[in-house]
Amino acid sequence: AQKVTQAQTEISVVEKEDVTLDCVYETRDTTYYLFWYKQPPSGELVFLIRRNSFDEQNEISGRYSWNFQKSTSSFNFTITASQVVDSAVYFCALITWNSGNTPLVFGKGTRLSVIA
Amino acid sequence: EAQVTQNPRYLITVTGKKLTVTCSQNMNHEYMSWYRQDPGLGLRQIYYSMNVEVTDKGDVPEGYKVSRKEKRNFPLILESPSPNQTSLYFCASSLGRTDTQYFGPGTRLTVL
Repeated sequence: AQKVTQAQTEISVVEKEDVTLDCVYETRDTTYYLFWYKQPPSGELVFLIRRNSFDEQNEISGRYSWNFQKSTSSFNFTITASQVVDSAVYFCALITWNSGNTPLVFGKGTRLSVIA
Repeated sequence: EAQVTQNPRYLITVTGKKLTVTCSQNMNHEYMSWYRQDPGLGLRQIYYSMNVEVTDKGDVPEGYKVSRKEKRNFPLILESPSPNQTSLYFCASSLGRTDTQYFGPGTRLTVL
């Protein structure tokens, strides 16, 4: 079975600090996809990144960066120089490529509060 | 603009009164899905559809029905809502099952 663990329930940082959100996943499949979504206070779910299991290259997009390490089954998300607008709940999710139709499995989310 | 739309955004109803939450996407996606989000339980899949006329149960299908008569629409039907179905509901669509799912704005349902 697939599982995603986001051990940090809530994180609070002061504006301009860097913050890393942890994501650990479990799967026996060799082909899978990992995602991060952002849920701001307005409630919608905003897609941030999709990464496949064969691409361990780190990704950077502006102030956002992602570190994918298969050896530790982790897909961590770092926000550099955090801003108040980064305050949201962030979800890590996993879906596998297998013969079944297993759904996208979400972690419980990490609530990030950035204080001005 | 590429998007997933849901209606209504907010709904308060009473136990047993049938309701439908509509979902529509304009991206020609084959895969569509419904999720519910509850505090402490996260997001869980209710039903999904791989294509027109192809639907199947997700992790928490009890009390819900869906249909997929057209590619763009995937309504969620609660035939006899109960208070334990009070939740935030999201519709999502993607090209295929493992592709990026794009979510609608959410429907906050309260069943009294």
